[in-house]
Amino acid sequence: DIQMTQSPSSLSASVGGRVTITCRASQSISTYLNWYQQKPGKAPKLLIYSASSLQSGVPSRFSGFGSGTDFTLTISSLQPEDSASYYCQQSYSTPYTFGQGTKLEIK
Amino acid sequence: EVQLVESGGGLIQPGGSLRLSCAASGFTVSSNYMSWVRQAPGKGLQWVSVIYSGGRTDYADSVKGRFTISRDNSKNTLYLQMNSLRAEDTAVYYCARVATVVRGIITHQYGMDVWGQGTTVTVSS
Repeated sequence: DIQMTQSPSSLSASVGGRVTITCRASQSISTYLNWYQQKPGKAPKLLIYSASSLQSGVPSRFSGFGSGTDFTLTISSLQPEDSASYYCQQSYSTPYTFGQGTKLEIK
Repeated sequence: EVQLVESGGGLIQPGGSLRLSCAASGFTVSSNYMSWVRQAPGKGLQWVSVIYSGGRTDYADSVKGRFTISRDNSKNTLYLQMNSLRAEDTAVYYCARVATVVRGIITHQYGMDVWGQGTTVTVSS
């Protein structure tokens, strides 16, 4: 199975700031990497697919980068509504594993 | 409107069975890859199962042999039959559509783009 390791597990940032979340795969997954946002009590929402493609309707302050084993999700111009948990997920091979999540707090 | 609505969750004793349903609207379940994902209380997301448009299925090792994913094309509904339930199966269960694009003979997956609201399964005596 492909293991997905996210870091950090939690972080805090200010409105208007910028954060980067890292996701590392235990083996190469090309660009089969997706990012999701989840708010408490809600279903996850797809933000980025194929490592760097922005899902329709997602603000352009979200961006993804990477290929192979190392990937990043960057959120710029942070807004209060960006407070959420973020998960990476590989869709290269089953089981389609998720990272353990990163909880983002907006100060 | 593209939508998924889950139902069927509840409190069940260890060893029991439960069937979750996921009714789709706005798109055809049988033409898409469909997945189940779960989230234990206070924990992260865990992929559970997928059914491909051709009917092939796959499962996480933790549920293989106990859970069965299926679909009813006439009802445009996805199911998850869960048998021999354990306390560690306690979670919110989400169904999701997998976005795909076919290029040549390869179907590329582009993440789970439509999610249901989730249904809660509690396994406890």
